[in-house]
Amino acid sequence: GAGVSQSPSNKVTEKGKDVELRCDPISGHTALYWYRQSLGQGLEFLIYFQGNSAPDKSGLPSDRFSAERTGGSVSTLTIQRTQQEDSAVYLCASSLGRLAGGNEQFFGPGTRLTVL
Amino acid sequence: DAKTTQPNSMESNEEEPVHLPCNHSTISGTDYIHWYRQLPSQGPEYVIHGLTSNVNNRMASLAIAEDRKSSTLILHRATLRDAAVYYCILNGNNNDMRFGAGTRLTVKP
Repeated sequence: GAGVSQSPSNKVTEKGKDVELRCDPISGHTALYWYRQSLGQGLEFLIYFQGNSAPDKSGLPSDRFSAERTGGSVSTLTIQRTQQEDSAVYLCASSLGRLAGGNEQFFGPGTRLTVL
Repeated sequence: DAKTTQPNSMESNEEEPVHLPCNHSTISGTDYIHWYRQLPSQGPEYVIHGLTSNVNNRMASLAIAEDRKSSTLILHRATLRDAAVYYCILNGNNNDMRFGAGTRLTVKP
């Protein structure tokens, strides 16, 4: 079956503009995660969804970042008033259930965001 | 969260075995040990995970120390395609993976 997909694959925007990044998880996966990875760095956890609710928003770096998930499927990560430090690859992952207990995550290819 | 310690980088020759170490001395009884890898310009992919016993799958083997304070990911015959950053992660009750810097594996032909 299809894996996790993300769109767009690349996004170049000007400082101060808003951007929306989309993630389509694997069908049937109840958990969805957003991470970001700056150049040459490890992954930084942003937010986790179980169904449509986000019990853990602790990783969102500022109030310019928000995310929603509708219908227990597609998720959108929105960054308002983008800054140059927001430039990174934004990765989405999904899992069949909660990670506690050993479920694995499946990652999408990422969206490369460049803020000029 | 319990933390892991991995070497920054390792080198291997093609078709030779590779042993990637991970120390996790503060591991708790409910923590699973996960390994993911990230090939260049791709998202991470699952490799293997275990709790107490050694595990084998088509990609690799995971050897877990008896006290669970360390583990080793074993690639039995490294190929050029195995060049990647390998992440060792503990997960018990959290719903995310806290990725560290990982080990960058270079495979020489």
